[in-house]
Amino acid sequence: EIVMTQSPATLSVSPGERATLSCRASQSVSSNLAWYQQKPGQAPRLLIYGASTRATGIPARFSGSGSGTEFTLTISSLQSEDFAVYYCQQYNNWPPAAFGGGTKVEIK
Amino acid sequence: QVQLQESGPGLVKPSETLSLTCAVSGYSISSGYYWGWIRQPPGKGLEWIGSIYHSGSTYYNPSLKSRVTISVDTSKNQFSLKLSSVTAADTAVYYCARLDGDPGGYFDYWGQGTLVTVSS
Repeated sequence: EIVMTQSPATLSVSPGERATLSCRASQSVSSNLAWYQQKPGQAPRLLIYGASTRATGIPARFSGSGSGTEFTLTISSLQSEDFAVYYCQQYNNWPPAAFGGGTKVEIK
Repeated sequence: QVQLQESGPGLVKPSETLSLTCAVSGYSISSGYYWGWIRQPPGKGLEWIGSIYHSGSTYYNPSLKSRVTISVDTSKNQFSLKLSSVTAADTAVYYCARLDGDPGGYFDYWGQGTLVTVSS
């Protein structure tokens, strides 16, 4: 079973700054990786799939990169609405769908 | 616009069976896609429970497989989750979602979630 590890657990960033979130898979998942954003009291929202393709309606400041075992989600210039928890999820080896433990992006 | 809505009891007693239904609107389940359940214990991360196709084909998380049954009712455009022998560890927000993949994939539409508490 693939284990997804996200780092850091918490990232403190000032509005307007760049945020870089990491996700590592215990074995290769090719490019079959998705990123989600979750705000308090809300369901997760799909941001990125295929490691780098933005979902419908997602702003261009969100970008994903990587393949194999190392992935990155970059938010180029943090807006107030971007402070949230971000999860990665692999879907290369199924079942199960494996989620990472999440990275909380908080205001510095 | 695809919309999903979970429903079911918010309180279940230990050792009993948790039952939830997800009503889908804006898309016919019979048209395709897998449909899944994901849960999130309070303050914790996401855990995939299982997924189902309109034909009834299912995939379950191995860690829960012995206790989980997911079924689909295409006439009502809904699918359901049953989790048996629940304990306090099953207390969580339960989400239903559409899965874009065959059968593995990512979740592109989500319900708002429903909190289920296991307590006597």
